[in-house]
Amino acid sequence: QVHLQESGPGLLKPSETLSLTCTVSGGSIGNYYWTWIRQSPAKGLEWIGNVYYSGSTNYNPSLRSRATISVDTSKNQFSLQLTSVSTADVGIYYCARGAYCSYSSCSLRGFDPWGQGTRVIVSS
Amino acid sequence: DIVMTQSPDSLAVSLGATATINCKSSQSVFSSYTNEIYLAWYQQKTGQPPKLLISRASTRESGVPDRFSGSGSGTDFTLTISSLQTEDVAIYYCQQYLSTPYNFGQGTKLEIK
Repeated sequence: QVHLQESGPGLLKPSETLSLTCTVSGGSIGNYYWTWIRQSPAKGLEWIGNVYYSGSTNYNPSLRSRATISVDTSKNQFSLQLTSVSTADVGIYYCARGAYCSYSSCSLRGFDPWGQGTRVIVSS
Repeated sequence: DIVMTQSPDSLAVSLGATATINCKSSQSVFSSYTNEIYLAWYQQKTGQPPKLLISRASTRESGVPDRFSGSGSGTDFTLTISSLQTEDVAIYYCQQYLSTPYNFGQGTKLEIK
């Protein structure tokens, strides 16, 4: 059974860069899209972006190019960097598995499984 | 962007009764390429991440009780929970995964009356 676990500093100062890593265990990172989602009282659940195991990425335009998602297949991990954080970036950050793609097609069924989430606080 | 709007924001239903949650997308989430509806429902209990219940608008995930059912087409979708149990208390979200950004609804809080 695939398990995802987020890790990274949970307390940042305004203007710093948030760096989170998601470690995938119990299965290979290959052939899947891997996703970052965050949740806050103000914005609810917000899709941040995803990365395919090959390295191609998609992002939510609302983050105005502050987000970078990368993958390290040798470590079965993928990561999120979010620059210039502010109090608007406070919330719980989740990683999750998305679509499975083979040579000829993709199977899409939403996000499953999810990590337990990591809380991010921004305070001076 | 496809905007997802759920109704109601909250509801209270008696044990054993049926709960109905609605979700409307601002445009169709049907893929003519794959002939599938890219609409998912999630359940989030307090202190836990969301759990995928239903994908493709009506396909229950493995292990999800059959009292959870999804229906709908075009831009209007429904999650129905029959024979409501105490463990169903949660916030329920719909989400489209047809096109990025993969937006979620604002959530519907389900409580026991």
